[in-house]
Amino acid sequence: EAQVTQNPRYLITVTGKKLTVTCSQNMNHEYMSWYRQDPGLGLRQIYYSMNVEVTDKGDVPEGYKVSRKEKRNFPLILESPSPNQTSLYFCASSPYTGSWVETQYFGPGTRLLVL
Amino acid sequence: AQSVAQPEDQVNVAEGNPLTVKCTYSVSGNPYLFWYVQYPNRGLQFLLKYITGDNLVKGSYGFEAEFNKSQTSFHLKKPSALVSDSALYFCGRNTNAGKSTFGDGTTLTVKP
Repeated sequence: EAQVTQNPRYLITVTGKKLTVTCSQNMNHEYMSWYRQDPGLGLRQIYYSMNVEVTDKGDVPEGYKVSRKEKRNFPLILESPSPNQTSLYFCASSPYTGSWVETQYFGPGTRLLVL
Repeated sequence: AQSVAQPEDQVNVAEGNPLTVKCTYSVSGNPYLFWYVQYPNRGLQFLLKYITGDNLVKGSYGFEAEFNKSQTSFHLKKPSALVSDSALYFCGRNTNAGKSTFGDGTTLTVKP
């Protein structure tokens, strides 16, 4: 089954404790992206990657890191989480032909609470 | 900056009535526009997109959207709403450089 998986689905942590949220897709998509969803603020792009070893900042990259060493994986790293990073996080992937990012396939989401 | 706006936080319609969820976009750049739906406790699902061509785009679950260049709008429509259409709807825009911008979302409630 074609899908985007995220782990963990739920996470409670404390301020300053490094964490990684994994994202994996099995559709051989070039493009992957991370978003956070907050009430009243919609969906905001954190980072995206057009292909392996190519990443770029979205609208809200502060406090986050990403890497794209393999085509299928795009982990989101919070080196020193803070309470304002409490949010619902989505990973997405999409084919990319060099013209437009096509339809994005979203993972199920990771709900993060930083105390 | 390229952006989209959803002017309504909430839309309420009665089952069987037509529904419209509004979206407007900023003029700069080529408009690659899309709509996604999010059901409770689920990820986002693609509904439809506009890149070029016919202004009326048909999508999943009986939804359609009309691209209106003069009004810079891309409203989502359905002729007859179902209770199961109740969800959170996002309008958005892609650039050809990889950035995606979403609106703040509109909660659609369809009442029996």
